[in-house]
Amino acid sequence: QVQLQESGPGLVKPSQTLSLTCTVSGGSISSDTYYWSWIRQSAGKGLEWIGRISTRGSTNYNPSLKSRVTISVDTSKNQFSLKLSSVTAADTAVYYCARELGILDYWGQGTLVTVSS
Amino acid sequence: DIQMTQSPSTLSASVGDRVTITCRASQSISSWLAWYQQKRGKAPKLLIYKASSLESGVPPRFSGSASGTEFTLTISSLQPDDSATYYCQQYNTYPWTFGQGTKVEIK
Repeated sequence: QVQLQESGPGLVKPSQTLSLTCTVSGGSISSDTYYWSWIRQSAGKGLEWIGRISTRGSTNYNPSLKSRVTISVDTSKNQFSLKLSSVTAADTAVYYCARELGILDYWGQGTLVTVSS
Repeated sequence: DIQMTQSPSTLSASVGDRVTITCRASQSISSWLAWYQQKRGKAPKLLIYKASSLESGVPPRFSGSASGTEFTLTISSLQPDDSATYYCQQYNTYPWTFGQGTKVEIK
């Protein structure tokens, strides 16, 4: 059974960079079949797909966030990561990582990130 | 972006009722639509993919159908455990987008 777990700071100051890591267990992240995605959920915007990465490093980003987002993968650690720069209060949300093939079939439990000084 | 519009926003029904949730896409997405169930404080759970395929382990009282750009999630006999918010998601065109959710309450 694949499991995903998000980790990272729960509080980020405005204008700084949000950094989260997703650790995958119960299976190898090094699969050519799947992508690995980040999704966030806020009260104001509902569920928002942020972007995804393949284990070959191929990425797709939501155009609304593309200028501020970087997703990377570390196959040696079975992890992938999210960086979101120049954050504002509008980036306050629960951030989820998930396994993806269009559909999101395995999700992490989510981690709340608050942007506040 | 493709807009996904769900209706109703909330519904209240009794145990044993047949419940239907609709999701309309702003343009054609073929059958590339998924449904998720989210309970309070938890991550969404995949129920249906490719409009009508039931994810493994999901009770058969859940079903999905499609007609053009209109998609339907049906719960044939509502159970207490089905109290949750349901979301549709299109995965035809980047960026993937979600409906705003339908909250299902048990009377």
